[in-house]
Amino acid sequence: EIVMTQSPATLSVSPGERATLSCRASHSVSSDLAWYQQKPGQAPRLLIYGASIRATGIPARFSGTGSGTEFTLTISSLQSEDFAVYYCQQYNKWPPWTFGQGTKVESK
Amino acid sequence: EVRLLESGGGLVQPGGSLRLSCAASGFAFRNYGMRWVRQAPGKGLEWVSGITDGGGTTYYADSVKGRFTISRDNSENTVYLQMNSLRAEDTAVYYCAKAVDRNWFDPWGQGTLVTVSS
Repeated sequence: EIVMTQSPATLSVSPGERATLSCRASHSVSSDLAWYQQKPGQAPRLLIYGASIRATGIPARFSGTGSGTEFTLTISSLQSEDFAVYYCQQYNKWPPWTFGQGTKVESK
Repeated sequence: EVRLLESGGGLVQPGGSLRLSCAASGFAFRNYGMRWVRQAPGKGLEWVSGITDGGGTTYYADSVKGRFTISRDNSENTVYLQMNSLRAEDTAVYYCAKAVDRNWFDPWGQGTLVTVSS
């Protein structure tokens, strides 16, 4: 099983600032990495797949980079609606499909 | 618009059973694999089960293998999760999701809450 580890657990950022979230895989997953956003009381929403491809309707301030075992989600200029929990997920070797434990982006 | 709507959650005693349903609309359901993912209160996401487009292959997390059964009815555009021998640790919101291409999940339903408690 591929273990996904996200850091930090919580990120305190002011609106307008850049947020950088990390995700590490225990073994290479190539570019088979997705990012999801989850707001309180809501279902997760796909942001990024293929490590760097924005899903339909996702603003350009969200960008994903990385391959192999190290990945980054960057929010270039944080908006109020971006405060949420973000999860990475690998889909290279499955089952199981595995998620990171999440990074909560909160307002500083 | 692609939509997934889960139902069937509720309160059940330990050892009991429950069947979740996920009704799909807005896409060619028979052409896509489907997945169930759960989220315990205050916790992260855990993949639970999956089924291929035709229903011929199923997948289960070790934590539910032998207790849960996934199935689908392509004539009704619905995927099911039969949950038996439920335990307190199965308490969670259960989401269904459509599997895309190499298996990212998009979209997700709104979820249904399962509470296992006496």
